[in-house]
Amino acid sequence: AQKVTQAQTEISVVEKEDVTLDCVYETRDTTYYLFWYKQPPSGELVFLIRRNSFDEQNEISGRYSWNFQKSTSSFNFTITASQVVDSAVYFCALSEAERNAGNMLTFGGGTRLMVKP
Amino acid sequence: DGGITQSPKYLFRKEGQNVTLSCEQNLNHDAMYWYRQDPGQGLRLIYYSQIVNDFQKGDIAEGYSVSREKKESFPLTVTSAQKNPTAFYLCASSSRLAGVYNEQFFGPGTRLTVL
Repeated sequence: AQKVTQAQTEISVVEKEDVTLDCVYETRDTTYYLFWYKQPPSGELVFLIRRNSFDEQNEISGRYSWNFQKSTSSFNFTITASQVVDSAVYFCALSEAERNAGNMLTFGGGTRLMVKP
Repeated sequence: DGGITQSPKYLFRKEGQNVTLSCEQNLNHDAMYWYRQDPGQGLRLIYYSQIVNDFQKGDIAEGYSVSREKKESFPLTVTSAQKNPTAFYLCASSSRLAGVYNEQFFGPGTRLTVL
């Protein structure tokens, strides 16, 4: 069965520090998609990135970067030079393409990031 | 502006009452989804719909019902059979291209409190 684990429930950093949010997943499919979403205090989930299982290249978008390693079933998210506006709950999610005609997402429990000034 | 709207933002219900949460999207997305989020937890899928007039149960469908009469609308009814309905409800939608679904986009959510 598919599963997503975010072992860090809360992380607190001081502004300008780098921070990495961990995500470990389990799936029996060979084709799957991984996602990161940000949930600010307003509650709405904001899409950050989608990755398919055949693309292991790391991705960088501004201060955000993602490290996908199939060998360890991990899809970690790093924020460089964190800012107070990065404070939010971050969710990692998995969608299995082969068994999942409806694109259902399995979410991790989320990591609450607090960036202090 | 394209997007997903949910109404109301806050909803209070007395025990034993049914209540319907609205979700509308103007993104022309094929698929729509309802999730429930409890405090400090991740999202759990209630129902989803890939096309009009068709929908499937998710992981926690008991006590909920949905309809999909129009492509842009996917209302969720929380019935009196739902034992613990107080939660944050999020609606999402996604497009489909060449048989592959794209990422889901979410509405602002409805916070339901049972008094």
